[in-house]
Parts: sequence; structure tokens; C-alpha cells
Amino acid sequence: NAGVTQTPKFQVLKTGQSMTLQCAQDMNHEYMSWYRQDPGMGLRLIHYSVGAGITDQGEVPNGYNVSRSTTEDFPLRLLSAAPSQTSVYFCASSYSEDYGYTFGSGTRLTVV
Amino acid sequence: KQEVTQIPAALSVPEGENLVLNCSFTDSAIYNLQWFRQDPGKGLTSLLLIQSSQREQTSGRLNASLDKSSGRSTLYIAASQPGDSATYLCAPDGGKLIFGQGTELSVKP
Repeated sequence: NAGVTQTPKFQVLKTGQSMTLQCAQDMNHEYMSWYRQDPGMGLRLIHYSVGAGITDQGEVPNGYNVSRSTTEDFPLRLLSAAPSQTSVYFCASSYSEDYGYTFGSGTRLTVV
Repeated sequence: KQEVTQIPAALSVPEGENLVLNCSFTDSAIYNLQWFRQDPGKGLTSLLLIQSSQREQTSGRLNASLDKSSGRSTLYIAASQPGDSATYLCAPDGGKLIFGQGTELSVKP
């Protein structure tokens, strides 16, 4: 198993550009989540999904969109990047609430 | 809304000491609680998962306890080593995994 795979690992965007951060898992996990990590703010939940076709907002959803068309993939879209979205983004997945979460290695995003 | 507090925020100790890291959370309606380790510039590594029906879990030199009714968990590290230096994060799961800000641990040789 590859686990949770995030691409790209690094990205620089200009303000106003759009992009999609990819997250894929090969463990047949139903639950998937996106977090951002900022100095002094810890890890904050952006969006999460409990299965294909089901998504919900976390603590800081503004400026981000998600969809879950398959069990394996949970992409995070930035429609119009802003400098405030400069952060490290982590994707995580879990089989169910009886199991722990596995994290990807992260995407470091800089918006200039 | 779940709020998670970790104390202390930072800890520096000489090698060999036994350590206790504290985690408190406001909403006791959780399925489980997970402890993670994060090295600088890296991702999160799961250390221990405690189900809501359990009181503690052990893995090697690590032992985590959970008191769901009082909203507390502790991570005990025995005989600390320089390789234990990292940030330790706790995260209760009540349908969503919510994190504390972590305890930054430095173990000096």
C-alpha cells in the first residue's frame, strides 16, 4: 500500500490563480479530511468526507472547495488563491471512527 | 465545538527523564483519541490510538491514558532519548479529528 499520497509536494502560486491539491489513498478508507497547518495556529480542519458523494465543512472552509466522486480521491480546490492561503496542507484518511487516521506527507503552498 | 489544549507548550529535559504530556478537551462525546508525533518540516506519525471504551494504550516506552468523562488524556514517555525530540499532538475524534497546538519536546544528550 502506498498509504495517503499528496501531490504536489511544493507549489508557488500568484494571487488570483487557481489550483487543485491532490490526495489519494489506496486503503479503501471511507473517511478523508483536509487540514492546514500554520505557525501558532496548529492544524485546522478545512473540509472532510465520510464517503463518496458526501462532504462537509470544517473549521476554516472559506476559499476552498472539495468533492468526493470516488472512495480513493479527495481533491482540494483553491479557486482564487490569496496570500492568506500560504500554508502547509495535509490530507488524512481513516477506515471508520473505530480506527485511527493516516496522514499524507503534506503540500507546502506559497501564494505571492 | 471541540477545543483541545495541550500543556506544556514546550519542554526541554535531559536524556533519561520520564515525561508526562497533558491534553484536555471540552467535548467528551468522542469515539477515540489519537496521539501523533511531528518532526520539523515533516508529516504526522501516529503513535497511539485509544478507543473511548479504553483507559490506556501502550507501545514500547509510550503509554497513553484517557479519561473521557473529565476530558483528559496524558502521554507518558519513559526513559526519554534525544530521538524523542519532536512535537507531540493529541487529537480527539468525535466524528472529526480536532487538534491541540502540541507540545514541543527537546531531549538533550
